[in-house]
Formats: sequence, structure tokens, C-alpha cells
Amino acid sequence: KAGVTQTPRYLIKTRGQQVTLSCSPISGHRSVSWYQQTPGQGLQFLFEYFSETQRNKGNFPGRFSGRQFSNSRSEMNVSTLELGDSALYLCASTDGNTGELFFGEGSRLTVL
Amino acid sequence: SQQGEEDPQALSIQEGENATMNCSYKTSINNLQWYRQNSGRGLVHLILIRSNEREKHSGRLRVTLDTSKKSSSLLITASRAADTASYFCATDASGNEKLTFGTGTRLTIIP
Repeated sequence: KAGVTQTPRYLIKTRGQQVTLSCSPISGHRSVSWYQQTPGQGLQFLFEYFSETQRNKGNFPGRFSGRQFSNSRSEMNVSTLELGDSALYLCASTDGNTGELFFGEGSRLTVL
Repeated sequence: SQQGEEDPQALSIQEGENATMNCSYKTSINNLQWYRQNSGRGLVHLILIRSNEREKHSGRLRVTLDTSKKSSSLLITASRAADTASYFCATDASGNEKLTFGTGTRLTIIP
């Protein structure tokens, strides 16, 4: 079956703009998590959605938001972009039986 | 903040040798997982070990878990050039479905 799909793979924005990233989980997976990865901070948990509800949230400012649709697809949005938001944003869907995460290839965001 | 810390941060070994990476964590866990990440790519799940297990094998991988010391180790035997990657441990604390990743070990296999 198809893996986790993230779009876009690469994007460049300028400070102050906003960005929306999309994630399509593996069919049948109801939980989607988002992570930010930077060289300095490593993998930081952003949030997790399950059946359209945010179940967990990491320590990120309110500029970072997300949602999940009825088909389990998820989006995350970052408003008023800052230089420090440049990162690889990874989405993962969870196998509810094993707890294993399946990751997409990520969306690499560069903020200029 | 990271739940886990991997040690060492970086490791270089000759092809064919064994590689051992360690992970320490802070709180009680339900299970611990190991993931691999090739440069700039998504993470790939390697192995999951539950809190009531002490050792688990998968191919050339061997994982141990010591809950009394809050630590785990990943052993890769007979390393290959394709094993070059970053390796992360991840834990889900008891009562929390959130999976928290460690800082990672950068493994380089020298052909």
C-alpha cells in the first residue's frame, strides 16, 4: 500500500509569510503526527491528530497550527514565518496495532 | 525537549565491524523504538521493544532494554556501507501517546 505522502517537498518563503504543508497518511491509519527537525534542536514534536481531534501538542508558539480531515489527511500551517522556522517538517502516521510510526519524506522549508 | 539522549553523537567504524549505540531516557515508558534516517530523508522504523522485554533481534539488529537504568542499546552486526545513517531512539511515556525522539547517533561506515 502507498506510504505517507507529504507535499510540497521543498519550498522557499520569506519572513512574515505563511505556509501550509500537507500530509496523506497510510490508508487505515487514523493518527497523524508532525515533527520539526533542525540541526540545532533535533526532532521536535509539534502535534498529533487522531480522528480529526488534536490529541497532543508540543511546545511551539501559536503560529504553528494543524488540522485533520475526515479522510485522515492532515495539514499544518505556520503563520508569520521567522528565519528560525527553516527546517525539515516530517509527518508520520501510526499503525494503531503496533505503535510504529511511518514517516513521509518531509517538507523542507527555507525562510529567507 | 528530548526525552532520550543517544550516545555517542557520532560513530565511525570499518565495514564489517559491529556498531553499538546507546539511548538513555528520563521517564517510565510503554515501549522504545529505534529509527534510521538517511540524510535529509524521512525516518524508517527498525525495531520496537516493549517495556516488559529485555532483548529483541531483527536480522543484524539487536536491541536491549534496561528499564531500571532507563537505557537501551542498538547493536548492528557486520556493518555495511548502506548502514551509514543517523539512528534515533524514541519513547512513548506511560499515559502519553506522544512519541519523543532522542538526539540521534550519526553512524558512518568506512568501506
